Amino acid sequence: GNSVTQMEGPVTLSEEAFLTINCTYTATGYPSLFWYVQYPGEGLQLLLKATKADDKGSNKGFEATYRKETTSFHLEKGSVQVSDSAVYFCALSPPNQAGTALIFGKGTTLSVSS
Amino acid sequence: ETGVTQTPRHLVMGMTNKKSLKCEQHLGHNAMYWYKQSAKKPLELMFVYNFKEQTENNSVPSRFSPECPNSSHLFLHLHTLQPEDSALYLCASSQETSGIWYNEQFFGPGTRLTVL
Repeated sequence: GNSVTQMEGPVTLSEEAFLTINCTYTATGYPSLFWYVQYPGEGLQLLLKATKADDKGSNKGFEATYRKETTSFHLEKGSVQVSDSAVYFCALSPPNQAGTALIFGKGTTLSVSS
Repeated sequence: ETGVTQTPRHLVMGMTNKKSLKCEQHLGHNAMYWYKQSAKKPLELMFVYNFKEQTENNSVPSRFSPECPNSSHLFLHLHTLQPEDSALYLCASSQETSGIWYNEQFFGPGTRLTVL
């Protein structure tokens, strides 16, 4: 079946530190992959996406590369800010199944201090 | 209004009450979803509507009843809930297009539900 595994949190960093949040997936075929972010008291916002192998999604300084060979989609940022403190969710959309549920990881809480 | 809106943002209800959650999407999408987000658990899909027809129901208890009168509106009717139903209920929408297989969903801010 389809599943997403994220690294356990919380992740605690100082401002300007390098961030990596690991995400691996299991799926048949080639799913689309997403990172969503949830700020305190808010819903989920799409952060970035990749729809095929070797695609790199990027937004607001965050990047993730779709790695088919390692079935991974790790989220990275070179220099985090206090405003990046949030919960980050990795998700996949099963291939050829538009209009169905996303499969989410459990979420990783990031806390950035100044 | 833009994007996906949800009302109310917060709701406190007793176990014998009946209430409804409302979701509206202003994106012209044709698929809508209800998710439940509980502390320390992954997001759980509850219901999916494509073209106003329910296509998935992940064994959700009958005390939750969805309604989708048109492609822009989605309701979740609540009746005789239990304290363990307290959670953040998220609505999402997406555009299902034939031949396009990625599924980017847009989420509302959620309704924080507390059942006493």
